[in-house]
Formats: sequence, structure tokens, C-alpha cells
Amino acid sequence: GAGVSQSPSNKVTEKGKDVELRCDPISGHTALYWYRQSLGQGLEFLIYFQGNSAPDKSGLPSDRFSAERTGGSVSTLTIQRTQQEDSAVYLCASSPDFVSYEQYFGPGTRLTVT
Amino acid sequence: GQNIDQPTEMTATEGAIVQINCTYQTSGFNGLFWYQQHAGEAPTFLSYNVLDGLEEKGRFSSFLSRSKGYSYLLLKELQMKDSASYLCAVRGNQGGKLIFGQGTELSVKP
Repeated sequence: GAGVSQSPSNKVTEKGKDVELRCDPISGHTALYWYRQSLGQGLEFLIYFQGNSAPDKSGLPSDRFSAERTGGSVSTLTIQRTQQEDSAVYLCASSPDFVSYEQYFGPGTRLTVT
Repeated sequence: GQNIDQPTEMTATEGAIVQINCTYQTSGFNGLFWYQQHAGEAPTFLSYNVLDGLEEKGRFSSFLSRSKGYSYLLLKELQMKDSASYLCAVRGNQGGKLIFGQGTELSVKP
């Protein structure tokens, strides 16, 4: 079956521009997570959605970052007024629910801010 | 605060055994995870421990001691394809989000 997909796979943008990153989770998965991975670093939690509950935004690094999940499926991560330190790989993961122990990761979007 | 420590890099020989350690200090504990990540690829799930002891799955085993805040991943009969980054992650008491360590880059040499 289809796994988690993300688009675009690569995005180069100029400092100060806004970007939108998309995640399509595995069908039926109610939990969706966003992480980012800077060069040579581990994964940093950003935000997670579980069903219709309010999202856990505790990992968002600044108010320039926001995310939404429409219809309990597709999610969009938006970064406004991008900065060079936002350059990273943004990974999305989904799981059947928040108690399931395995998270399935997408291939990521590599964001480069010039 | 929350802190997860693991060695930055390790080198081992094909056919040998290697142990990757992970220590953690987190607010709440609801499971420890190991993921494998090949360069340029997404992480893939390897193992999950929530109770103390050893979980074995083929060539890979994972151990947990909650009282010591310690885990290790044991890889046996190393193969060249095991060269990858190994990520230790902890789920706390705040839903399903994972807190990751920086990862251990394992290089398997012939």
C-alpha cells in the first residue's frame, strides 16, 4: 500500500519568502507528526495532530511556523518569512493513533533558504 | 528538561557485533524506540521497549533499564548494509510525540 508522501521533495527559496510543505499520511492513520532534521542532527519534534483533538504545537520554534490538517488527512506546514536557519529536512510521519508505537516516516522535504 | 545521549559515531567490522548505547532523562516515560536511517532516506522503525529487559528481533536486539534511564541496540553479524545512522527516541507522557537523540553514525568496514 501507499506510504507517507511529502511534496515537494526539494525546495529552494529566498530568505524572507513563505513556503508550504505538504504531507499525505497513510490512509486511515489518525496521528500525524512533523519533525525537522538539520544537517548532522537528530530529529526535532515540531507539531503533532491526533484526530480532532487540538494539535500539540509545543515544538514549533517560532510564530513563523504553523501547520494545519484538513479533513483529518493531508497536512500543510507553513513557514513564513523564511530564515537561513530554517534550512533542514522536514519529515512527516503518521501512525494509526497516538498510542501505536510505530511511526511511519515520509521521505522528507529538503528546504534550502538562500 | 529532556536529554537523550548517544555516541556520535562508531566503527565496526563486518561479521562482528556492535552495541550502541543510549541514556535518557525525560519528563515521563512511555516507551523507547530505535530507528535506522540510511543517508538521504527516511527513518525506519527497528524496535520498541516499554518494559525492562531485552527484545530480540533477528540480528537486532534492544535492551531497556528504566531505573537507569539506559538502553542499548545490539547488532549481530554485521553487514555492510548496516552502515547507517541509528536514532534513539523516547516517548514521554505527552501523547505520541518522540524526542530523539542526535543519532549514532555506524560505519561497517570489510
